[in-house]
Amino acid sequence: DVKVTQSSRYLVKRTGEKVFLECVQDMDHENMFWYRQDPGLGLRLIYFSYDVKMKEKGDIPEGYSVSREKKERFSLILESASTNQTSMYLCASSLWGQGAEKLFFGSGTQLSVL
Amino acid sequence: AQKITQTQPGMFVQEKEAVTLDCTYDTSDQSYGLFWYKQPSSGEMIFLIYQGSYDEQNATEGRYSLNFQKARKSANLVISASQLGDSAMYFCAMRRPTGNQFYFGTGTSLTVIP
Repeated sequence: DVKVTQSSRYLVKRTGEKVFLECVQDMDHENMFWYRQDPGLGLRLIYFSYDVKMKEKGDIPEGYSVSREKKERFSLILESASTNQTSMYLCASSLWGQGAEKLFFGSGTQLSVL
Repeated sequence: AQKITQTQPGMFVQEKEAVTLDCTYDTSDQSYGLFWYKQPSSGEMIFLIYQGSYDEQNATEGRYSLNFQKARKSANLVISASQLGDSAMYFCAMRRPTGNQFYFGTGTSLTVIP
């Protein structure tokens, strides 16, 4: 069964801490994405990557960075966590294509920054 | 910027009735893909249906159909014969051809009433 795995389901951090959210996919997908989900705001794209060591900013990259050293792994980094980064974070992956290649999602990480 | 609009924050439907969830999009791309995802209270994101911008027929998948009106830039999801298990958040999404980014709407919360 194909899978996108996020390392933590729940995470509690302190303001100012450096936070790593890890995501691994086993489908050999080119594209990987990080979204945050907030009530009433839907899913907003933070960063995405279409190849190893490649990254592109999404709509809300401020306060975040990413790393993709291997094809299967895409990490989201909060350099100095703040309370307004408390949110649900969803990782997703897809094949590169122009057709019905859909997103596969991980189960999400609920991050609380205190 | 690409924009997906879902104007119905919450919807109610009687069991066994049909319901339409609205989605409009804004893009200057000629080629794009439209997707609907379901998110039950468990939090997982479940792919429902896909429509390509060049597809002339409306997509159907079991009880789900997509009412695609390209000139109006709308891609409404129709669920026929609603079931209690259809109660969930529903997200409309669009994939751009360049970069393969997926953009999401704010979602519609559907409640099926017995």
